[in-house]
Amino acid sequence: QKEVEQDPGPLSVPEGAIVSLNCTYSNSAFQYFMWYRQYSRKGPELLMYTYSSGNKEDGRFTAQVDKSSKYISLFIRDSQPSDSATYLCAGGGSNYKLTFGKGTLLTVNP
Amino acid sequence: DTAVSQTPKYLVTQMGNDKSIKCEQNLGHDTMYWYKQDSKKFLKIMFSYNNKELIINETVPNRFSPKSPDKAHLNLHINSLELGDSAVYFCASSHGLAGGFEQFFGPGTRLTVL
Repeated sequence: QKEVEQDPGPLSVPEGAIVSLNCTYSNSAFQYFMWYRQYSRKGPELLMYTYSSGNKEDGRFTAQVDKSSKYISLFIRDSQPSDSATYLCAGGGSNYKLTFGKGTLLTVNP
Repeated sequence: DTAVSQTPKYLVTQMGNDKSIKCEQNLGHDTMYWYKQDSKKFLKIMFSYNNKELIINETVPNRFSPKSPDKAHLNLHINSLELGDSAVYFCASSHGLAGGFEQFFGPGTRLTVL
């Protein structure tokens, strides 16, 4: 079992839809959790991070972590065509190493 | 004004050759990383340097050797290239180890081994 599991999709939604992206992880040592966004043929860029369990909101994006069930979620409200990208979840702990999921390819259709 | 830059952007070479990829960051960070992203988009850490000291060395063949001449540069040398080395290699940097959750990635080097 990989440390971080993520449904690779692809996921296709109409503009304005609410998007839910999810990951599960197995490493109990993870303390912080990230979502990176990667546009085609570009490097990943940090979208959001959370420390331990809880919710974090930033504009149209909400990240949720449930450590009891080892579940990580990213919600995108009012999705836009510019949100079309691959979304990578990641976990990290005190060893300073990030472990990424395989990424979910999202397409938002105008 | 590029934050993390890599050269070359594309690299096509024959099996058995030796090649290097260079990375430079102008963010003032002291921690740098090399990642490999395979054809299935799986991004995996290879190495990490903090203040020119190797701190993460994943299970990577000895043919891969990172070198950090200073805090702003981290190069990757690959000996005896194999078909399975074909991938996109990303360099990244962060503000120290504690800031390692926010890594700034370069544009990637697409390596194709024929």
